[in-house]
Formats: sequence, structure tokens, C-alpha cells
Amino acid sequence: KNEVEQSPQNLTAQEGEFITINCSYSVGISALHWLQQHPGGGIVSLFMLSSGKKKHGRLIATINIQEKHSSLHITASHPRDSAVYICAVTASGSRLTFGEGTQLTVNP
Amino acid sequence: DADVTQTPRNRITKTGKRIMLECSQTKGHDRMYWYRQDPGLGLRLIYYSFDVKDINKGEISDGYSVSRQAQAKFSLSLESAIPNQTALYFCATSGAFSENTQYFGPGTRLTVL
Repeated sequence: KNEVEQSPQNLTAQEGEFITINCSYSVGISALHWLQQHPGGGIVSLFMLSSGKKKHGRLIATINIQEKHSSLHITASHPRDSAVYICAVTASGSRLTFGEGTQLTVNP
Repeated sequence: DADVTQTPRNRITKTGKRIMLECSQTKGHDRMYWYRQDPGLGLRLIYYSFDVKDINKGEISDGYSVSRQAQAKFSLSLESAIPNQTALYFCATSGAFSENTQYFGPGTRLTVL
């Protein structure tokens, strides 16, 4: 079993829908990261959080340390949000352990 | 200019050839990483370096070697490339604290025939 599990693996939505991507992990962590990988391959960091909730524009990330679970929400989704969203955790030093990613497609 | 650059961006080579992938960063970070990405497996750590004199193996270091030539440069070598090393390779950097964000390069797509 992977240390970091994401669901769903694939998600298709209509423009404007509220989207949730889930991440569960099985190890103690110091931080959890949400990353976005664009169709061209580039990876950018969206959030890093160790407790509570963070918001940036239409993106919201939450984490529940006790339940070892995090969610990434996208409000009012748009086709430009189409990408792979990757959850990763920092469990040892700066080393990241990654989930397999969630492929999101938002149709107009 | 990009903070983390990788060269080459694409490379096709033959089995048995020696290949070097290079990474440079202008963020002034001490910590640098090499990952590979395969469909269905996510990103996996190959090697990492916390400073110029520190090199550590990641989870899949067999068949790879690295060199940290300077704070800003971290190279990954495949001494004798094999087809199952065909993948997308990413370099990343981060600051000194374990909670720091990692900044990724644009990736190198390597194909070994």
C-alpha cells in the first residue's frame, strides 16, 4: 500500500462545478503539499500546510492531522484548471513522498 | 528567467550509452533533488543533496549517479542507459527547513531505445 493515496485517479467535471480531490497518508508528517502538473509537464506548488486550511483564489486546501487526510477543493472550476493534481507529504527531512496524482479535466 | 533549469529538455539515446542530465538553480537553495516520473507510479526520489558535500540515495538510486558541482548545480548521470530508464526526470530545490516548498524544473523527457 502506498504511503500516500489519492482519490479519485481521474475526474471529469463541467465548467463551474465544485471539485474535491482527496489525499490520505499513513505516516507521521511535518507538512503536506499540493502540486499542480500542467499538460506540458511543469510542476508548481499550490499549497504547503501542516494544519487547518489555506485558500488561494478559487483553491482551498484543508488538512486533518488526526485523520491523516487532506482535501483540495476548486470552486467555480474552469477549463484552465485541467491538470494533474499531486499530493505529497514531508515525512523525513525534506524528502517528499508523492501520491500518484489525480487527472482533472474540466469541460466547457 | 526560470529559477530552476534543466538541460536537455528532451533526449533520445540508445541502450548502453552514458547520459548526463544537468540542473541549475538561481534560488540560492542548499537542497536539491532528482526525481523520475513514470505513468501510474507518480514521482519517485532518485538522489538528493542537502549541501555541496552531502549526497544521499533516494528510493530508486540503482543505475544512477549524481554530482553536486556547486550550490547551484546538481547533475544526474546514467552510466549505461537501459530502456526501463525511459521516463520524465525532474530536478527540484528547496530551502533549509523540512517544511519548505520545493521548486521544480521543467523536466527532461528521456527515451532509451
